[in-house]
Amino acid sequence: AQSVTQLGSHVSVSEGALVLLRCNYSSSVPPYLFWYVQYPNQGLQLLLKYTSAATLVKGINGFEAEFKKSETSFHLTKPSAHMSDAAEYFCAVSEGNDMRFGAGTRLTVKP
Amino acid sequence: NAGVTQTPKFRILKIGQSMTLQCAQDMNHNYMYWYRQDPGMGLKLIYYSVGAGITDKGEVPNGYNVSRSTTEDFPLRLELAAPSQTSVYFCASRDDSYEQYFGPGTRLTVT
Repeated sequence: AQSVTQLGSHVSVSEGALVLLRCNYSSSVPPYLFWYVQYPNQGLQLLLKYTSAATLVKGINGFEAEFKKSETSFHLTKPSAHMSDAAEYFCAVSEGNDMRFGAGTRLTVKP
Repeated sequence: NAGVTQTPKFRILKIGQSMTLQCAQDMNHNYMYWYRQDPGMGLKLIYYSVGAGITDKGEVPNGYNVSRSTTEDFPLRLELAAPSQTSVYFCASRDDSYEQYFGPGTRLTVT
């Protein structure tokens, strides 16, 4: 069965610093992988998705993620953090009809 | 195009009461989902549907029921509410590229 592990429930960076949020997945077949962002008291919004095309995926707001099959990873990065990036981020995997989410990583951006 | 809508936004129930959380989508998606979100736990799948008349259990279906009589609507029924069902509930629909679109959520408190 598919599953997702997000390493680090909280990540804190300074404004302008690199953002790296880690995600490892488990799947018996080539998966579809997603990163979602959730701002306080809102639903989830798609940042980017991997659907077996290019391994480096670019998303909204300057985020990107790289699918590495050998490492079963799909880490999310952004070269320079903005204050507006402060939110909770969820990695998710889908290999069939349903989708499984990681526990989430809360990103704090310090001025 | 309203996307995915959920009602109510907030609700307080007494133990043992019942209620229905409403979810509707206007994107003609076959797949629809109900999740609950608890702090630090990510999203857990309660039930999902692959089309009108077809539903299936997710990870945490106990205490809930669903129906799917139309493509647009996917209500979630809570029978005999318990404090453990205090959570934020999200409905979502999925397009053919596996992207899920989320509603704004219903915050439920059972006391």
